[in-house]
Amino acid sequence: QKEVEQNSGPLSVPEGAIASLNCTYSDRVSQSFFWYRQYSGKSPELIMSIYSNGDKEDGRFTAQLNKASQYVSLLIRDSQPSDSATYLCAVNRDNYGQNFVFGPGTRLSVLP
Amino acid sequence: NAGVTQTPKFQVLKTGQSMTLQCAQDMNHNSMYWYRQDPGMGLRLIYYSASEGTTDKGEVPNGYNVSRLNKREFSLRLESAAPSQTSVYFCASSAGTINNEQFFGPGTRLTVL
Repeated sequence: QKEVEQNSGPLSVPEGAIASLNCTYSDRVSQSFFWYRQYSGKSPELIMSIYSNGDKEDGRFTAQLNKASQYVSLLIRDSQPSDSATYLCAVNRDNYGQNFVFGPGTRLSVLP
Repeated sequence: NAGVTQTPKFQVLKTGQSMTLQCAQDMNHNSMYWYRQDPGMGLRLIYYSASEGTTDKGEVPNGYNVSRLNKREFSLRLESAAPSQTSVYFCASSAGTINNEQFFGPGTRLTVL
């Protein structure tokens, strides 16, 4: 079992819809969780971090964490074509970040 | 405030040649990282430096060496490049504290012929 799993996609949603991106992880002791956005040919850009169970909202983005289910998700409301990118889930297995593990990414396509 | 910078942006090497990738950050971060990204493999950690003066191996260290020159700079060296090292290389940094968000440089696209 891979440590961090994501659907590779592509996930296609119409403009204005909600895009839902999912991530599961295998290590129960994981402490912190991150979502990165990566445009083609560019470097990963941090969108959200979440450390506690529940929801965390930042503008059009909401991260959801359920440690009991070992599941973290990212919702993008009012999706725009500019949101089309690959979204990487990252899991930090300890408090001090030397055990960062990235998922393979989900490619999102927002259709005008 | 440039964040994380990397040089060069592109490089083509022949098998057996050596080169050093440079990385610098101006965020006063303690920890720095080198990753490679390959299609279908995601981001994989090569080496990291938790603080100035320390370096440790990551998931895929073979064929690479690193130097943490000072708090700002962390270099990655390929002593004898191989085609399997063709990849995109990213440097990242983080505060190294409990809130350990990593921030990435623009990357170096390396091709080994």
